[in-house]
Order: sequence, then C-alpha cells, then structure tokens
Amino acid sequence: GDSVTQTEGQVALSEEDFLTIHCNYSASGYPALFWYVQYPGEGPQFLFRASRDKEKGSSRGFEATYDKGTTSFHLRKASVQESDSAVYYCALGNGGSALGRLHFGAGTQLIVIP
Amino acid sequence: EAAVTQSPRNKVAVTGGKVTLSCNQTNNHNNMYWYRQDTGHGLRLIHYSYGAGSTEKGDIPDGYKASRPSQENFSLILELATPSQTSVYFCASGWDWGDQDTQYFGPGTRLLVL
Repeated sequence: GDSVTQTEGQVALSEEDFLTIHCNYSASGYPALFWYVQYPGEGPQFLFRASRDKEKGSSRGFEATYDKGTTSFHLRKASVQESDSAVYYCALGNGGSALGRLHFGAGTQLIVIP
Repeated sequence: EAAVTQSPRNKVAVTGGKVTLSCNQTNNHNNMYWYRQDTGHGLRLIHYSYGAGSTEKGDIPDGYKASRPSQENFSLILELATPSQTSVYFCASGWDWGDQDTQYFGPGTRLLVL
C-alpha cells in the first residue's frame, strides 16, 4: 500500500542553520506529495504540494522538489528561525486508489534554538 | 475565511461511556475526514466521507463510528470508550479532484478516557 517515511523524528538546529527533513514515499503512479506544518495546540496547516516529477513546491521560505527517481520529497529551508519550531508532516495523495485520502508520515519535530 | 471547527476542544470521558466528537466545515468541501494523532504514529485515518449520508472506513476504524448528516457536519462516535482511545482527534475537509486535493484541518479535540 501507499506509505510515507520520514527519517528524522526530531531535528534540533540553531537559528540561521540550513534545514533538511527527509521524506521518501512508496506508491504507484504519480501521487501528489504534500508538506504540512503543525504548531503546538493547533491542527496541521497545508504548506505546499507538488504532483509531477521535478516540480518544486514552496511556501514561507520552505521548498521541496518531487523526485520520482529517488521517490523523495525532502523539505529544505536555507535559514531557519525560532518561529519555525513545529512538527512537519510529509503526506501522499493517490487519487487512483482512494480519492482524496492522504497518507501521512510519522512527523518530524523541528526545534530551533535562538 | 473558510474554516473547520471542532467541538468540544477538550473532553474527559469514563470507560464504557459514549463520546461524540463534532466537526463543522464552511469550506463547502465534499470530503471530510477524522484522524487521531499519537506520538510516534503521526496522523492515522479513522473514517472519512465523500458527502452527506456516506461514511467509509479508514485505516483504524475499530471502536469508532461516523455520521455525516449534512455537507457541513461530520461526527465521530465512540459507543464504548476505552482508555486506548485517549488521543487528540482532528477533523479535516477537502476535495478529491485534480490539484484541489488539499485537506484543511480543524484545531483538534483532546480526549482523555479514564
């Protein structure tokens, strides 16, 4: 079945460090890939999506490129701020299998130390 | 602004009791979803709905029922609550076609079953 793997359970960085959170997926065809961000006490918020090979999604300084060859959609940011501290979820949507359903990774907690 | 709201925001229940969690959306989306969030598991899909009158089982439906009486409302029902159902529950709404497959989440309900 469709699945998403996030390698890091927690990432701790200092302000202005470069961020990479790894996301790999397993699915047939061309699934849509998403990043969501969740701040304490809130629901997950949509960050951005991509649906084609080599397509780049971006928002709020975060970006990820859909790579079908390596089945990856890694989240990157050039310079993190304390306000970026949150849990980040990678997700997969495969309309061919179940319209509208998303499969989420386990999440990565980002801690940015000022 | 379109929104997803949940009630109650916090709930304490006793083992064996009945619990109903409610969700309302003003996005005019066809699809609605119930997830639970637990440390180490991320977001797991319990039930979902494609429209009024429909409910479908997600990945972990055991012990839960769902009801979609209207486009706007989607309820999650725990007929006989157990301590293992202590969790944070999120409702989401979304479309399921083209690039309109993003899901939008409510603020969550924190449930404690004693």
